[in-house]
Amino acid sequence: EDKVVQSPLSLVVHEGDTVTLNCSYEVTNFRSLLWYKQEKKAPTFLFMLTSSGIEKKSGRLSSILDKKELFSILNITATQTGDSAIYLCATRPTSGTYKYIFGTGTRLKVLA
Amino acid sequence: DSGVTQTPKHLITATGQRVTLRCSPRSGDLSVYWYQQSLDQGLQFLIQYYNGEERAKGNILERFSAQQFPDLHSELNLSSLELGDSALYFCASSELDFNEKLFFGSGTQLSVL
Repeated sequence: EDKVVQSPLSLVVHEGDTVTLNCSYEVTNFRSLLWYKQEKKAPTFLFMLTSSGIEKKSGRLSSILDKKELFSILNITATQTGDSAIYLCATRPTSGTYKYIFGTGTRLKVLA
Repeated sequence: DSGVTQTPKHLITATGQRVTLRCSPRSGDLSVYWYQQSLDQGLQFLIQYYNGEERAKGNILERFSAQQFPDLHSELNLSSLELGDSALYFCASSELDFNEKLFFGSGTQLSVL
């Protein structure tokens, strides 16, 4: 069965810290992996990764994919209280459907 | 604002009842996805439509049904509601591209009492 596992489940850090969020997956014929940030309600898109070893960056956030070891990491440097959110990882297999499989998320809280 | 509109934002109903959740995708998006999010389960895929046709089905209960209309809006019907159906229901849309990303609505918070 296709699945996505995120770790840690929750994390509390102080402003200025660097955090690394993990996402491992087992899917049939992997196509892409996506990261979303969920603050209050709607998850908002952060990154889409399809190739190993190519880092995607957006400001203080960056992500990389390892298709051999079947995982991705999301790094946040110099964290701010506004980074407090649930970070979701999702994969899309190419098993003939367009179904995205989400992990349960990592709940990040950044203290001032 | 993602451009995906969901109504209503909140819904409180009783067990055994039937409700309809509505979703309007982003302009130009042909695919609509429905997800259920509960505290212990994360985002669970329910069903996906593309241009009016069902494309993929997840762990959707038989008591639940959905459709996508010619104007591309979608409705999720939940019937014979149980306490365990209380959750946040999201609609998302995407362009059907090779590596498309999802745009989520703000969700409908369903409380079954």
